[in-house]
Parts: sequence; C-alpha cells; structure tokens
Amino acid sequence: SQQGEEDPQALSIQEGENATMNCSYKTSINNLQWYRQNSGRGLVHLILIRSNEREKHSGRLRVTLDTSKKSSSLLITASRAADTASYFCASEYSSASKIIFGSGTRLSIRP
Amino acid sequence: DAGVIQSPRHEVTEMGQEVTLRCKPISGHNSLFWYRQTMMRGLELLIYFNNNVPIDDSGMPEDRFSAKMPNASFSTLKIQPSEPRDSAVYFCASSLSTGVQETQYFGPGTRLLVL
Repeated sequence: SQQGEEDPQALSIQEGENATMNCSYKTSINNLQWYRQNSGRGLVHLILIRSNEREKHSGRLRVTLDTSKKSSSLLITASRAADTASYFCASEYSSASKIIFGSGTRLSIRP
Repeated sequence: DAGVIQSPRHEVTEMGQEVTLRCKPISGHNSLFWYRQTMMRGLELLIYFNNNVPIDDSGMPEDRFSAKMPNASFSTLKIQPSEPRDSAVYFCASSLSTGVQETQYFGPGTRLLVL
C-alpha cells in the first residue's frame, strides 16, 4: 500500500482563491516532497520539507509538516489557471532509502 | 540543458512481445529511478540505481521485468513477455544524490499500451 494518501482526490476552485491539499503518511519519514504533474507530462519538483521543519515557503506555495499527526499540507495562494494539475506528496521512509508517492490531488482552477 | 530523455514516447505492442524502454539521465546525476503510473495503482517506484548499481528493486512486479544501467548515461527497462496489465506510463527520473531524498527530475514518460 502507498505510504502517502492525499486529500481531497479532486479539488475545483475559482481563480484567485487559495487551494489546500493534504497528505498523510504512516511511518516516520526523513523528509516529504511535493511534486506537480501537468496532464501528459512528467512530475516536477515543487518543494521539500525535512522532518525537523514545520513550515516552508516558496513563492505562492506554503508547505507545513506535522510529524505528530503524520501529515503535511500544501497551500497555493492566489491560484491561477496555470496551477491546474495533479499534485503529489512523496515521503521518504526513515527506515529505508525509499520514496513513496501519494495518490495525488487533481486541482482544477476555474477562470 | 537537456532534461531526462526517454524513448520511445509511445509504444503499442501485442501481448507476448518484448518491450524495451530507454532513459538517458541528466548528465552528472548519479541516481536513476524507474516508475510506473496507472490510474489504479498511482505512481510506483519499480527500481532505482545509484552509480549504475541497482540499490532497490523490490518494486519490480515480477520476473518479466528487468532493468539495466550499463553506464552513467543510459538505462533500460525491459518487459518480456509483455501483458495487457503492463499498460501504463513509465517514467524515468534522475537525481544528484546518493539517496532518494533529493529532488528528482522526471522525464516525459513512455506511454505503453499492450494489446
């Protein structure tokens, strides 16, 4: 079974609104990454947060990590049509050098 | 700079045929990953190499799948014989790291359809 599960599976919002996606994992991790995948394309790395960090920012992206709840969230502020994509979290086990991707959230931005 | 290059981009084959997917990682990267993506199972790590050596192949579904990395600039994923359930998009990714924790750069993928 996959390490990371994402919520919601699909999200549709109006352009300009904020989008929040959540990721939960099951065991201790070293770090967690978020990737974006446009339709028919490969994944693109967005941001990495380490297990000893709680929050990280990159432009309009804000990622939080709560190791006590084994969860992370990705916030995209002031969404744009170009943000339409699938977003995946990827967590690295502490017990083994292995990265597991979540099931992804399909984000649609309505003009 | 060229990113990760995969070929072919699309492959349609008949059940029982051999399929070979190719990947050229980003120059200088020393880790290479093969993934499979399907609607049902999402994105699965099949195998990864570090410095051309397979480190973890526990994700390879069965003996019909094999992967090689003869040198730092080339890797292949072979399916023999192929089955319809192998239909998926196969991604190759590379990173500049001795582990999996660093940023991975993905290729455009090979869309495989086995009839």
